[in-house]
Amino acid sequence: LAKTTQPISMDSYEGQEVNITCSHNNIATNDYITWYQQFPSQGPRFIIQGYKTKVTNEVASLFIPADRKSSTLSLPRVSLSDTAVYYCLVGEGNTDKLIFGTGTRLQVFP
Amino acid sequence: KAGVTQTPRYLIKTRGQQVTLSCSPISGHRSVSWYQQTPGQGLQFLFEYFSETQRNKGNFPGRFSGRQFSNSRSEMNVSTLELGDSALYLCASSLSSPGGYSSGANVLTFGAGSRLTVL
Repeated sequence: LAKTTQPISMDSYEGQEVNITCSHNNIATNDYITWYQQFPSQGPRFIIQGYKTKVTNEVASLFIPADRKSSTLSLPRVSLSDTAVYYCLVGEGNTDKLIFGTGTRLQVFP
Repeated sequence: KAGVTQTPRYLIKTRGQQVTLSCSPISGHRSVSWYQQTPGQGLQFLFEYFSETQRNKGNFPGRFSGRQFSNSRSEMNVSTLELGDSALYLCASSLSSPGGYSSGANVLTFGAGSRLTVL
């Protein structure tokens, strides 16, 4: 199976912008890239989804290069409540099996 | 509207036993997918059901099985439990199949999970 990799952890301070990258070099041609946030003892929660270029919603932006082999989740002005684990999710090429990224643990400090 | 409900939330079993977990999706959602989450392997896709049919399956042994009922509720079963099956089992529902080009209809809504401990 193709690996979908993310940095293991990141630290930030309140008010800063955080960018988390996911590498997915075997993404299915017709599949969206979706990012989820997970707090302890809870299921993941949808953040943002995109297919190409840039998508922005009220909480985040998602940047996807033309080759779609990676994506970057951008969280503007993080707060303490953004401390969580962030996962990307893609469909694998040829199999359509869903592959979660390895997850990035974001710690926000005051 | 009510979210995705998983039962039981916690359970303890011994090796060799079997377990059944239940998932009630959001009303109107026809796709239910299951995931195993462990510290070592992260989030792994188990299988997905849509309109009572298994549409996709991850790389898990045949001891892991599931089904979906006509009301979209789903169950997953693990037989002959092993210590390594200890995990958080997550269920998610979506309007359409989670993979593919569906312009938002495939966004997953997760339940809180069922935490299985195998002794």
